[in-house]
Amino acid sequence: SQKIEQNSEALNIQEGKTATLTCNYTNYSPAYLQWYRQDPGRGPVFLLLIRENEKEKRKERLKVTFDTTLKQSLFHITASQPADSATYLCALDDNYGQNFVFGPGTRLSVLP
Amino acid sequence: DVKVTQSSRYLVKRTGEKVFLECVQDMDHENMFWYRQDPGLGLRLIYFSYDVKMKEKGDIPEGYSVSREKKERFSLILESASTNQTSMYLCASMGAVGTEAFFGQGTRLTVV
Repeated sequence: SQKIEQNSEALNIQEGKTATLTCNYTNYSPAYLQWYRQDPGRGPVFLLLIRENEKEKRKERLKVTFDTTLKQSLFHITASQPADSATYLCALDDNYGQNFVFGPGTRLSVLP
Repeated sequence: DVKVTQSSRYLVKRTGEKVFLECVQDMDHENMFWYRQDPGLGLRLIYFSYDVKMKEKGDIPEGYSVSREKKERFSLILESASTNQTSMYLCASMGAVGTEAFFGQGTRLTVV
């Protein structure tokens, strides 16, 4: 069956450290993968998109990698700040390309 | 500023009622989606639409229907609300497949 997993439900790190979140998928062949941030009581907000032919994408303190052999994406936040505390969701297109599905999310807490 | 607007932020309905959740986007996007989000289960796709009058079932369509009579509006209908449909409902729109999705603020529906 198709499945998207994110490494842990919750992750606590110290301010200033790099947070690394993992997204693994099974029985999908995505053309792209996206990462979103969601704050409590709000809809997700888009952060980054990476395509299957791209290894890495960066935006300010954010970095995403995409390994189609391992079927995995890593999401890094460098020099993390308490304001980065949120739930982070990965999403990918299904095998038909018109739809996209989300992982369960990882709740990140950056401690001062 | 792009916008996806959901008709209600909070809604309380009685079991058996017919419930309409409305979503409007102002970006001329072809693709629109309805998700529900529950603790521990993440975002689950109910229905999506890739064009006016077109609809496709997502992962959990049972108990729901949708309507897309105009490009900018995608409605989710609970034919006969039940307590297990108490949830946060999120609408999203997307232009071309593979571009970012924009979410509404969510509707927290409680069925009593």
